[in-house]
Amino acid sequence: EIVLTQSPGTLSLSPGERATLSCRASQSVSSGYSAWYQQKPGQAPRLLIYGTSTRATGIPDRFSGSGSGTDFTLNISRLEPEDFAVYYCQQYGSSRYTFGQGTKLEIK
Amino acid sequence: EVQLVQSGAEVKKPGESLKISCKGSGYNFAAYWIAWLRQMPGKGPEYMGIIYPGDSDTRYSPSFQGQVTMSADKSISTAYLQWSSLKTSDTAIYYCARHLTISGAWFFDFWGRGTPVTVSS
Repeated sequence: EIVLTQSPGTLSLSPGERATLSCRASQSVSSGYSAWYQQKPGQAPRLLIYGTSTRATGIPDRFSGSGSGTDFTLNISRLEPEDFAVYYCQQYGSSRYTFGQGTKLEIK
Repeated sequence: EVQLVQSGAEVKKPGESLKISCKGSGYNFAAYWIAWLRQMPGKGPEYMGIIYPGDSDTRYSPSFQGQVTMSADKSISTAYLQWSSLKTSDTAIYYCARHLTISGAWFFDFWGRGTPVTVSS
């Protein structure tokens, strides 16, 4: 089973700043299987990025994804108040999907 | 508009059975895989398995094989997740999500709002 480790666990930033969220896999994965989701309290996860770097429909261009092999990154260029939430990375391998434990992006 | 509408919150006792549902609309329900995912408080989602409503082909994650049963009725665009004997450790929120494959990318593009399940004596 692929284990995903997200860092940092919590990120404290101010609106307008840039956020960089990391996701490290325990083994190399295909870039096609990498995705990122945003979850706000009491809501379902929302797809942000798939195939490592493709934004889902309706996702603002301040969100961008990159990476390969075992290291993947989600960047948010200029934080808006609505961006403060928990973010999860996702990978696929060994016949199952796995998710990271999440990075909580909080207002500083 | 694609929507996945899940059944409401459940409170059960250990040993009881349960079946929750996920009704799709706004797209050809039979033609897309539907996944079930568990989320425990403060944790990331866990993939339980996936079902293709068109022919009910089902693939379980090894962690959940034998613990739950997935089914689907394409005539009413509904997928189901059921337990025959609940445990307190089954307490969680359960999501259904549509699985999509585009140009070699695999992901979940639409999610239901989740069904909270509480198992307590």
